[in-house]
Amino acid sequence: GQNIDQPTEMTATEGAIVQINCTYQTSGFNGLFWYQQHAGEAPTFLSYNVLDGLEEKGRFSSFLSRSKGYSYLLLKELQMKDSASYLCAVRLHGSGNTGKLIFGQGTTLQVKP
Amino acid sequence: DAMVIQNPRYQVTQFGKPVTLSCSQTLNHNVMYWYQQKSSQAPKLLFHYYDKDFNNEADTPDNFQSRRPNTSFCFLDIRSPGLGDAAMYLCATSRGGGDRNSPLHFGNGTRLTVT
Repeated sequence: GQNIDQPTEMTATEGAIVQINCTYQTSGFNGLFWYQQHAGEAPTFLSYNVLDGLEEKGRFSSFLSRSKGYSYLLLKELQMKDSASYLCAVRLHGSGNTGKLIFGQGTTLQVKP
Repeated sequence: DAMVIQNPRYQVTQFGKPVTLSCSQTLNHNVMYWYQQKSSQAPKLLFHYYDKDFNNEADTPDNFQSRRPNTSFCFLDIRSPGLGDAAMYLCATSRGGGDRNSPLHFGNGTRLTVT
């Protein structure tokens, strides 16, 4: 089976840094994605890692360790609009070339003033 | 702008009454996906198409069917909706073709209510 674990909820203060962890045990691995989802809206793509290490994109960074089955999303200089659910997703080797994504249940981040 | 469009945004149907959700894309992506997302849960993959090749997840109920008449359009048919089928249904696309860093692009979703 596929297993992707994230904390259910986190709270942080505006202007601070927060790290959201994700661990995975999947049958195959073809990349890890982070998505942001505001309540009632569709997920939007934040970052992608396929090799070990850190990928930085403005205020957002994502890290991957394939040997540990571990990733984190780092959000710096938090803003109120960052309050959302953050979904970790693993791409499996799909039939043909589909590479389907399996999602974790998401971490709801609340940013407080 | 190129995008993934889902209609309607909100859909109400009666218990047992067939309903169809639609999705269109202007990205010309090979792969189209349907996910079901219930409140505070992970999006759950129902099925996906690579071009016209259909891939059903093993645990997708028979009550759910899909059609992809051409590259741009994909439909989700729920033959006899039950109360447990109330959820947000998300359509997504990706380039596929072994492009493993191609992210999924999601539509805004259709929130289905079953009365």
